[in-house]
Amino acid sequence: KQEVTQIPAALSVPEGENLVLNCSFTDSAIYNLQWFRQDPGKGLTSLLLIQSSQREQTSGRLNASLDKSSGRSTLYIAASQPGDSATYLCAVRGSYNQGGKLIFGQGTELSVKP
Amino acid sequence: GAVVSQHPSWVICKSGTSVKIECRSLDFQATTMFWYRQFPKQSLMLMATSNEGSKATYEQGVEKDKFLINHASLTLSTLTVTSAHPEDSSFYICSAEPGQRLYEQYFGPGTRLTVT
Repeated sequence: KQEVTQIPAALSVPEGENLVLNCSFTDSAIYNLQWFRQDPGKGLTSLLLIQSSQREQTSGRLNASLDKSSGRSTLYIAASQPGDSATYLCAVRGSYNQGGKLIFGQGTELSVKP
Repeated sequence: GAVVSQHPSWVICKSGTSVKIECRSLDFQATTMFWYRQFPKQSLMLMATSNEGSKATYEQGVEKDKFLINHASLTLSTLTVTSAHPEDSSFYICSAEPGQRLYEQYFGPGTRLTVT
C-alpha cells in the first residue's frame, strides 16, 4: 500500500529565504507526482506535475525534483514571500492497473514572515 | 481552461437530513470524477471514484449507502450525504479528469459541510 510522508509538518521562515520541502513515498511504481498548494478553507491549486520519466519541473520560483528509485521528491521555493504562506501537499499517482489513485501526504504548513 | 466548480461552497444542515453537493467541469468533459474528504489539519482522503454512466467505486471504509454518488453526465457529478450526523462535518473536494487516460486531475474549490 502506497504511503506518502511529508517533512517537516510545519515550517516558519523569514521572507527572502530559500527553502526545501520534502516528500517521500514507499512504492516507486508511480505514474506521476504532483505538488499542490492549499490556502486555509480553500481547494487545491496545482503547482507542478512530474511524470515518472522526468527528473524535475520548474515554474517561476518553484522547482520540483523526483527521484523515483529512492522514493523522494523535493519542492524548492526560491526567495520566499509572505504570499507563499499556505499548506503544500505532495501526491503520487499510481499506474492505471494499480487503480490510478492519487495518494496525498499530510502536507507541510509554511509560514513566511515579513 | 480546466475549471471545476462546486456548489454550494458551504452548507449547514441539521442532523438526520440529507444534503447534495454538485461538482461540475465547466470547460471540459470529465469521464472520471473523484470525491475526497478532508478533516481539519489532515490531508485529503479519497472517498470514491465515479465514471459517467456507471456506478461509483467506493474506497474501503466508505459507506456507499450514506454517501450517494451520481455521475449522470460528462460535466456533472453529485455527492449526497444521507441522514447526516455531526461526524460527517468535513470539507468535501471533488476533482475531474478528462479522457480515459491518467491525465492531471483538476480540483474544485471544496464544500464545507457542517452538521448541527
